[in-house]
Amino acid sequence: SQTIHQWPATLVQPVGSPLSLECTVEGTSNPNLYWYRQAAGRGLQLLFYSVGIGQISSEVPQNLSASRPQDRQFILSSKKLLLSDSGFYLCAWSVVGSVAKNIQYFGAGTRLSVL
Amino acid sequence: RKEVEQDPGPFNVPEGATVAFNCTYSNSASQSFFWYRQDCRKEPKLLMSVYSSGNEDGRFTAQLNRASQYISLLIRDSKLSDSATYLCVVNIDYKLSFGAGTTVTVRA
Repeated sequence: SQTIHQWPATLVQPVGSPLSLECTVEGTSNPNLYWYRQAAGRGLQLLFYSVGIGQISSEVPQNLSASRPQDRQFILSSKKLLLSDSGFYLCAWSVVGSVAKNIQYFGAGTRLSVL
Repeated sequence: RKEVEQDPGPFNVPEGATVAFNCTYSNSASQSFFWYRQDCRKEPKLLMSVYSSGNEDGRFTAQLNRASQYISLLIRDSKLSDSATYLCVVNIDYKLSFGAGTTVTVRA
C-alpha cells in the first residue's frame, strides 16, 4: 500500500532563517506531488505541484520554492522565512494520469511557526 | 470570488440527528468533486467522491448539481465521531480547490 511521510511534524523558526520540509511517498511510482499551506481557519492553498522529476509548477508567487530531486521526494524550501510563512504545510500525492479524478492523499503535515 | 464557498457553520447537532450542508463552486469546467474530512490539527482525509447521479456511503449522501454548481453532503444518524470540519473540493486538471470547510459538532 502507498504511504506518504512528511517531517518534521512541528517546527519553530526565527524570521530570516532558512526552511526545508521534506515529503516522501512509498508504494507507488511517478506520483503527482503537491505542497499546500493552510493558514489558521482558512482553506488549503496550493503552493506547488509536480508531475515528474524536476518539473515544478508554482501556483502563487511567494517566498518559497519547491524541488523534486527524486521520483518520490518533494522538498519545500525558503532562503529567508517571513512571519507570514507560518501555517500548516501539507504534502499530497495522486496517481499520475488520473487527471479527471485526481484523488489526493495527504501527509500528516508540518506545523510551522515563524517568530 | 472564491473558487469554492462553504457555510463555515458551526452546525451543532445532537447524536442521531441528520445534518446537511452544501457548497458552491465557480468554475463550470470543474471535472470531479469530493468531500474531505479534517479533524482538528490533522491532515484532510478523503470522505467520498461526488458523482452527478448522487451517491451514498453508509450514513453519508453526496449530491452534485452541475447546472447550479453546488455540491451537498448529508449525514444521517450523526455520531460523536462525525465531529470534524468537512471540506468541499473541486478538481480541474491537476489542481484541487478547497473550500474553507464546514464545522460539524455532534453532541451527546
